[in-house]
Order: sequence, then C-alpha cells, then structure tokens
Amino acid sequence: DQQVKQNSPSLSVQEGRISILNCDYTNSMFDYFLWYKKYPAEGPTFLISISSIKDKNEDGRFTVFLNKSAKHLSLHIVPSQPGDSAVYFCAGRIQGAQKLVFGQGTRLTINP
Amino acid sequence: SQTIHQWPATLVQPVGSPLSLECTVEGTSNPNLYWYRQAAGRGLQLLFYSVGIGQISSEVPQNLSASRPQDRQFILSSKKLLLSDSGFYLCAWSNGGKFGNEQFFGPGTRLTVL
Repeated sequence: DQQVKQNSPSLSVQEGRISILNCDYTNSMFDYFLWYKKYPAEGPTFLISISSIKDKNEDGRFTVFLNKSAKHLSLHIVPSQPGDSAVYFCAGRIQGAQKLVFGQGTRLTINP
Repeated sequence: SQTIHQWPATLVQPVGSPLSLECTVEGTSNPNLYWYRQAAGRGLQLLFYSVGIGQISSEVPQNLSASRPQDRQFILSSKKLLLSDSGFYLCAWSNGGKFGNEQFFGPGTRLTVL
C-alpha cells in the first residue's frame, strides 16, 4: 500500500522557470511532510518541510503548499537553476511515529 | 556538528556470501537510526529503524538483519545474499528535529550481488 505517491517519475523545466513537483498521500495520520533532494550516488538532503496545520511554507526559492482536503502537496522551485537537477522525494511522518514514509521520487531536469 | 559515515562505499559480492554494512554517527547522542534501500528506479524503502541500543524494528520481511551494538553504530547484515539484495543502501539518523523528524542521510553503499 503506497501511502505517499509521486505520480510523475520525471519532469523537465527550462532554466529560470518554475518547477512544480507534486505528491499525493492517503494516510490522514501524517502530521508533517518533508521534501528531500538526492543527487546520484549520494544520500538525500533535507530541503523543506510543512506541518499539517499549515498550508504553505517558504524558504528562499523553495515553497511547499499543502492541500489537506485533497491530500496533496507540492514543491515549487522558482527560479529553477541547473543545480536543481536531481531526484526529489516527498515524505510523510505518521503522528507519534519515529519514521518517515517516502514517495517513489521525481527526477527533475533543468534545461539551459 | 553532526556527521554520518557509511562504509564501504561500494561492494560487489557473490550470491550466498555474507554481508556487513556499517554506519556510525558523530556529534550527537541517542539518535534514532535507520536503514533504507533504494533499488534501481525505485523510491526509498525503510528496512529497519532503532530508537536505542539493542532496539531494532523491522519494516519488511527479508533476507537482512540489523543490530545496534553501540549508541551511534548501526550495522546491516545478511548471512547469505540474494540477487534481489542489490541496491543502494542508505543509513540515516534523526533526533526528533524541529522540522518534523527530519532525517539526515549518509553517503550510501552501492551493493551489487552477482
């Protein structure tokens, strides 16, 4: 049972434009959502998170939006830069648990 | 500052051979520790996690086991490797965190079973 789903395996965006990465979830018990970025042959690095009681969190070029009624979150990167090319994972934390549930990842490619 | 180490970085092993991957964390105490596997083209699958010495929770039935002999040491093992054990193994730590239990990952070990 895939509790966190990233339905787009890949996304290609022009440099300078906005990148929008999407994530859907099924478990209403998630109290935090996190986004990670991963380069090949490296461990993922934490980017940004959002509490389930909020609908937006912004950090520099990165903004995460949460729509609880639709069980959907998205990560916006603007403007997109070549260094943003990586695989992005969204993850949910089940309230009271010590572990995260990850989606399958979306490979973002920024074209010059 | 905290750092997390994994070794070896790459490993090629024959089917049926044993496995031992090691992960150590520096600069923090009593962390939660995690082992993940990323199979080719797949997401991150949680294999084991530990909230303290000797405490191991297994997420999926499999050919692998984990142990935590010291506070900041986490070991992933197998007695006999299968072809399906190939993948990229990641260790991570967390200390509750202020951003929703964010986890910090090591550099990973690429395991190829032939």
